[in-house]
Amino acid sequence: DAKTTQPNSMESNEEEPVHLPCNHSTISGTDYIHWYRQLPSQGPEYVIHGLTSNVNNRMASLAIAEDRKSSTLILHRATLRDAAVYYCILQPYSGAGSYQLTFGKGTKLSVIP
Amino acid sequence: DVKVTQSSRYLVKRTGEKVFLECVQDMDHENMFWYRQDPGLGLRLIYFSYDVKMKEKGDIPEGYSVSREKKERFSLILESASTNQTSMYLCASSLGDRANQPQHFGDGTRLSIL
Repeated sequence: DAKTTQPNSMESNEEEPVHLPCNHSTISGTDYIHWYRQLPSQGPEYVIHGLTSNVNNRMASLAIAEDRKSSTLILHRATLRDAAVYYCILQPYSGAGSYQLTFGKGTKLSVIP
Repeated sequence: DVKVTQSSRYLVKRTGEKVFLECVQDMDHENMFWYRQDPGLGLRLIYFSYDVKMKEKGDIPEGYSVSREKKERFSLILESASTNQTSMYLCASSLGDRANQPQHFGDGTRLSIL
């Protein structure tokens, strides 16, 4: 299975940008890169996903390296509500394992007021 | 926005009881999932369903069964609850036209088996 590596924890000041890194050196050509986050006492929440090109949505931006071996989730202005565990997940487009999400340990983001 | 609703946030049952966890989604999604989340082990898939009356085993189906009689509802059944099934249970749903679609989660049911 393709695996991801993330820092255990990160800190950010409120209203500053946050760059959350993820390494996935064994990614295959059909793996999508997904990001989810989980706030305390809630279920995981979808943030963003992409394949090769950078992606933007209302929550965040996803920057994908040209060789696709790493990616960065960018929160443009961190708020206290962004304090959560962020998971970077590889999901194949089809075939075995394409339905389920395999969550690792993620990065616990703390936001300092 | 997609809403996935789990019937209980907290549930306490006794060993040997048959336990039903219910999940309802309101976005006409084809796929529905049951995960459990335990400290240090992350989320693990128990079962998923890609259509009414269809189901597939996930990584840890032992001791569980599921039912999908209507598209919007997916039930997880613990046939004879045991203490090692104490956990946080999460339901999710996604569109079914492609496998690689974002999953939308409920807020979870924290189940304690005494």
